[in-house]
Amino acid sequence: AQSVAQPEDQVNVAEGNPLTVKCTYSVSGNPYLFWYVQYPNRGLQFLLKYITGDNLVKGSYGFEAEFNKSQTSFHLKKPSALVSDSALYFCAVRESYGGATNKLIFGTGTLLAVQP
Amino acid sequence: NAGVTQTPKFQVLKTGQSMTLQCAQDMNHNSMYWYRQDPGMGLRLIYYSASEGTTDKGEVPNGYNVSRLNKREFSLRLESAAPSQTSVYFCASSEIRTYQETQYFGPGTRLLVL
Repeated sequence: AQSVAQPEDQVNVAEGNPLTVKCTYSVSGNPYLFWYVQYPNRGLQFLLKYITGDNLVKGSYGFEAEFNKSQTSFHLKKPSALVSDSALYFCAVRESYGGATNKLIFGTGTLLAVQP
Repeated sequence: NAGVTQTPKFQVLKTGQSMTLQCAQDMNHNSMYWYRQDPGMGLRLIYYSASEGTTDKGEVPNGYNVSRLNKREFSLRLESAAPSQTSVYFCASSEIRTYQETQYFGPGTRLLVL
């Protein structure tokens, strides 16, 4: 069965420093991977996805993620953190392939706190 | 486009009461989903509807029922609310074509069951 793991409940970083939010996955077959962000009292917003192609995926708000097949990881990165990036970040993997749905399996989330 | 809308935004119920959470999308998506979000557990799928006229159980369906009223609307019903159903509920929608799997989420409904 597909699964994702986010090993850190919280990541703290100073404004202007680079940030990384970690995600590892387990799939049978080619992975379809996603990152979502949730700001306080809001729904989830799509950031980026990896389906195929380049291992470095660029997304919204200056975020990018690096797909590493050998390490089964899909870490979220940003070169320079902003206080406004403080939010809850979710990694997700598509559950099945070739079927009639796009069910996603979500990680437990990582709270990113950017200090000014 | 409003995207995915949910009503109500907040609700307080007493144990045993019933209620229906409403969800609508205006993106002409085929698939719709209901999730619950609890601290430390991420999002868990309650029910989903691959297309109009079909519904299927997700990871945590017990205590819930759903109705795919038409292509736009997907409602979630709690027949007899329990304190364990206190949570934040999110509706989402997506297309089902390859490379169009991104799910779009509504703003959520906060439910407190006393």
